[in-house]
Amino acid sequence: GAGVSQSPSNKVTEKGKDVELRCDPISGHTALYWYRQSLGQGLEFLIYFQGNSAPDKSGLPSDRFSAERTGGSVSTLTIQRTQQEDSAVYLCASSLVLSGWQYFGPGTRLTVT
Amino acid sequence: KNEVEQSPQNLTAQEGEFITINCSYSVGISALHWLQQHPGGGIVSLFMLSSGKKKHGRLIATINIQEKHSSLHITASHPRDSAVYICAVSRNFGNEKLTFGTGTRLTIIP
Repeated sequence: GAGVSQSPSNKVTEKGKDVELRCDPISGHTALYWYRQSLGQGLEFLIYFQGNSAPDKSGLPSDRFSAERTGGSVSTLTIQRTQQEDSAVYLCASSLVLSGWQYFGPGTRLTVT
Repeated sequence: KNEVEQSPQNLTAQEGEFITINCSYSVGISALHWLQQHPGGGIVSLFMLSSGKKKHGRLIATINIQEKHSSLHITASHPRDSAVYICAVSRNFGNEKLTFGTGTRLTIIP
């Protein structure tokens, strides 16, 4: 079956531009996580969606970052006014509710020039 | 101090050797996860455990809740085991967001 997919796989953008990153979780997975992997910070949590509950946004590094999940499936992570320190691989993961076992997507490599 | 610490940071071994990677954590957890990341590749979940021991093929994961310590063992290591192994913890049932260790880069030499 299909795994978690993310698009684009690579994104190069100029400092100050907005970017949107997309995640398609595994069908039926109600839990969706965004993480970021950067050279300086390693892997870190960004945001968590579970069904219709309010998302856990506690990992978002600044108000330039936002995310939404439409219809309980696809999620979009938006970074406004990108900065060079936003350069990283953005990873999405999904899981069945109460399972905890996470399936990771291939990631989007974001480079801000 | 990081909530999740791994050792060693780098490990090089000969094919066939028994490998141990350690993970210590300092917070209460709902589960501990072991993940694998091949160079240039995505992340794969290997184990999720909250007590005892789990085995999958040549990989074994153990956890000691009282000591807040987990180990990942690889028996009869093979060059294809070369990857970064990452320990992570989730702290709440129902919100399994992960806090990650810095990873152990394993290289198995033929």
